[in-house]
Amino acid sequence: GDSVTQMEGPVTLSEEAFLTINCTYTATGYPSLFWYVQYPGEGLQLLLKATKADDKGSNKGFEATYRKETTSFHLEKGSVQVSDSAVYFCALIFYNQGGKLIFGQGTELSVKP
Amino acid sequence: DAGVIQSPRHEVTEMGQEVTLRCKPISGHDYLFWYRQTMMRGLELLIYFNNNVPIDDSGMPEDRFSAKMPNASFSTLKIQPSEPRDSAVYFCASSLRGGQTETQYFGPGTRLLVL
Repeated sequence: GDSVTQMEGPVTLSEEAFLTINCTYTATGYPSLFWYVQYPGEGLQLLLKATKADDKGSNKGFEATYRKETTSFHLEKGSVQVSDSAVYFCALIFYNQGGKLIFGQGTELSVKP
Repeated sequence: DAGVIQSPRHEVTEMGQEVTLRCKPISGHDYLFWYRQTMMRGLELLIYFNNNVPIDDSGMPEDRFSAKMPNASFSTLKIQPSEPRDSAVYFCASSLRGGQTETQYFGPGTRLLVL
């Protein structure tokens, strides 16, 4: 079935380090891809999205490119801040499944000063 | 603008009791989703509504769970009777339209503990 796999956490980085969180998906079609972020004690917020192959989503210095050939949507940021500490979820939706988001397991990021 | 509102934020109950979780979606949104988050299973969709009508309830774990949306501004998720394995964070989300490209807006969640 359709699924999303993320790199396991926790990921611990120093402030201003480069961040990559890997995300790959398994699907029979062409889903839309999303990154959501969950700060401690809060609900999920959309970070960025891409709806077709080669699209690049970006927000708050984060970027991810929809790579159909590798079925990937890796999240990157050039210089992380302490305030980026959160759990990051990769997710997908298929056109024929209404709003059914399928989430990866989440990757916890901890940024130290 | 108010986001998705959920109540209560925390709920502690004893096994066998009825639990009702409440959600108010963003005004004007046509779609409402209920998710459950646990360490073991991660985030999973339980049920979603379009224009107050349940569309897909395949994620509802068993008959002890039920969800209703009596109008466009209110939904409930009920567990009766509750069991310790129902302990989780329950999120409600809404979107303006359904479909592949729409952003879902999540509430803060209800943290449920069943003793």
